[in-house]
Amino acid sequence: DAKTTQPPSMDCAEGRAANLPCNHSTISGNEYVYWYRQIHSQGPQYIIHGLKNNETNEMASLIITEDRKSSTLILPHATLRDTAVYYCIVRRRYGSGNTGKLIFGQGTTLQVKP
Amino acid sequence: EPEVTQTPSHQVTQMGQEVILRCVPISNHLYFYWYRQILGQKVEFLVSFYNNEISEKSEIFDDQFSVERPDGSNFTLKIRSTKLEDSAMYFCASSDQAMNTEAFFGQGTRLTVV
Repeated sequence: DAKTTQPPSMDCAEGRAANLPCNHSTISGNEYVYWYRQIHSQGPQYIIHGLKNNETNEMASLIITEDRKSSTLILPHATLRDTAVYYCIVRRRYGSGNTGKLIFGQGTTLQVKP
Repeated sequence: EPEVTQTPSHQVTQMGQEVILRCVPISNHLYFYWYRQILGQKVEFLVSFYNNEISEKSEIFDDQFSVERPDGSNFTLKIRSTKLEDSAMYFCASSDQAMNTEAFFGQGTRLTVV
C-alpha cells in the first residue's frame, strides 16, 4: 500500500472549515484513499473514502487531485468535538493482496479552538 | 446504530498470565480485525480473520497470540503468556466487506500487564 504524508498538527477556529492535507504520491490505480479519526484514544472512526472523484457525506468532504497524488479532507464547520487525530490511509482493493487491514501512520492532530 | 462491543473496558493482569479479550462484531459483518495501540504510539494492525481463519497477520502477532470466533457472534483475542510490553489498548474492528467499505471499531480494551 502506498505511503501517506500528513502534517503532524493543525489548528482550526471553531465554526470555520478545517482543511487537512495528505500526500500519497506513490498511489496506484487500484488504491483508495480513506480517512479515519481517533478522538482521545477511543476506537478509530471512519469518516470517508474515495478513489478518484470527490466525495461528500454528512461528516466531511474529500477532494482528490486529478493526478491522485494528494487529497484534502474538509470538515466544513469544525466544532470542539472534532478535535482528534485524523488519519489518511491508502488501501488496495480487496483481492489485490489486501485483506482489509488498515495501516495507520501518525496522522494529523487537529485542535479546534473556541 | 449498530456497534462493535468490546469487553472488558480495562483489564489488569500479572505478567505470564493468559488473557482473553472479547469482541462482539456487528452482526452481519464477515471480516474481523484486531489492532493495538501502545500509549502514545500509532495504531498497529495485528490480524485479520475471515471465514473462520486468519487471512493475514503482522509480525507482532506471534505464537503468543491467537484468535477465535467460538460461537458465531464473539471474536476473541487470546494472549497466552502476557509480557509487560503487551500493555496497550486493543481494538477490535469488523466490516461487511473487505473491499472498499469502512471498518467499524470498538471502543477498545485497555490491557495493563503488571
